[in-house]
Amino acid sequence: AQSVAQPEDQVNVAEGNPLTVKCTYSVSGNPYLFWYVQYPNRGLQFLLKYITGDNLVKGSYGFEAEFNKSQTSFHLKKPSALVSDSALYFCAVRDGGMRFGAGTRLTVKP
Amino acid sequence: GAVVSQHPSRVICKSGTSVKIECRSLDFQATTMFWYRQFPKKSLMLMATSNEGSKATYEQGVEKDKFLINHASLTLSTLTVTSAHPEDSSFYICSARDGLGTSGVYEQYFGPGTRLTVT
Repeated sequence: AQSVAQPEDQVNVAEGNPLTVKCTYSVSGNPYLFWYVQYPNRGLQFLLKYITGDNLVKGSYGFEAEFNKSQTSFHLKKPSALVSDSALYFCAVRDGGMRFGAGTRLTVKP
Repeated sequence: GAVVSQHPSRVICKSGTSVKIECRSLDFQATTMFWYRQFPKKSLMLMATSNEGSKATYEQGVEKDKFLINHASLTLSTLTVTSAHPEDSSFYICSARDGLGTSGVYEQYFGPGTRLTVT
């Protein structure tokens, strides 16, 4: 079965610093990997996806992620965090429907 | 971009009653829709896959008689929580799958979610 794991429940960074939210995957075949963000009492917002091609994927709001096959990782990154980036982030793999990681709460402090 | 709506956005019902949640693809046809459940401060769990004109496929552990899914048209899927109990209180989110794009890969679009509270 396809699955993803997010090893960190919480990530704290200072505004202006780079941020990384980690995700590792376990799939058979080629993975279709996604990142979503969720603000309180809201639905999911799509950030970016990896299907094939360039390992570095650029997405919405300045986020990017790097697909690393040897490390089976798909970490989300942003060069300079904003306070408004504070939210819940989900990594997911498509397996028919989506299989989501447990989520990582990102807090960006001023 | 493609839009998926859910109705209602929030519902409170009494224990023992049934409640229906609608998921609509507004500007595309969706032969397949998915229903997810999210507990407070937890991740989303896939409940079932809803296929237009056929029976839904439920994930292991999901009670098909409690969570009735109907996908009667290419733009509408409904989730009915029957004989609801407080433990059914949750955030329910649907997604809809469009046709294959130029890359040969379909896209999934998520609705805004429905918060169900059973008292």
